[in-house]
Amino acid sequence: TQLLEQSPQFLSIQEGENLTVYCNSSSVFSSLQWYRQEPGEGPVLLVTVVTGGEVKKLKRLTFQFGDARKDSSLHITAAQPGDTGLYLCAGESGGSQGNLIFGKGTKLSVKP
Amino acid sequence: DSGVTQTPKHLITATGQRVTLRCSPRSGDLSVYWYQQSLDQGLQFLIQYYNGEERAKGNILERFSAQQFPDLHSELNLSSLELGDSALYFCASSVGQFAEQYFGPGTRLTVT
Repeated sequence: TQLLEQSPQFLSIQEGENLTVYCNSSSVFSSLQWYRQEPGEGPVLLVTVVTGGEVKKLKRLTFQFGDARKDSSLHITAAQPGDTGLYLCAGESGGSQGNLIFGKGTKLSVKP
Repeated sequence: DSGVTQTPKHLITATGQRVTLRCSPRSGDLSVYWYQQSLDQGLQFLIQYYNGEERAKGNILERFSAQQFPDLHSELNLSSLELGDSALYFCASSVGQFAEQYFGPGTRLTVT
């Protein structure tokens, strides 16, 4: 069974701080996606990474896919209250026919 | 707004009952996925349809079934409901079988 472990589970920081959340697995994924979910709403896709070692930047968010395609990280620079939410990573294995395996998420709270 | 619509937004029903959740994918998307999200289990993949045909099954109970209609909308049927079925149910869609998934706003099911 493929599992994605996310850490930390909870993170509470002050506005302006930097943070990194991690997504780890013992399995290889053909692609990995990061989502952000707000309470009572559906996950919103932030980015997809597909190549080992790939780095993608989305304004203050930097996403990295591990060289072996087993892990990923999300770094947020100068966090803002609007970044508050549940960050989910999801992996797609080559044989999964598109269904995603989700981590349990990192719940981020950014206080003004 | 992801373009994926789900109805109803909230549903309260009693144990033993049967309910139907509806999902309309984004225009042009052929794949529909159903997920269940509970506090302790996180987002769990249930089932995928592609252009009317079932393509993948995840942790879907035998009491649950789904179908995708010729107009590509999908319905998830939950029967003999138990208290433990209370959860958020999300539908997602993608263009192909392996593409990035876009989530609807979810249906919150409460079984009393």
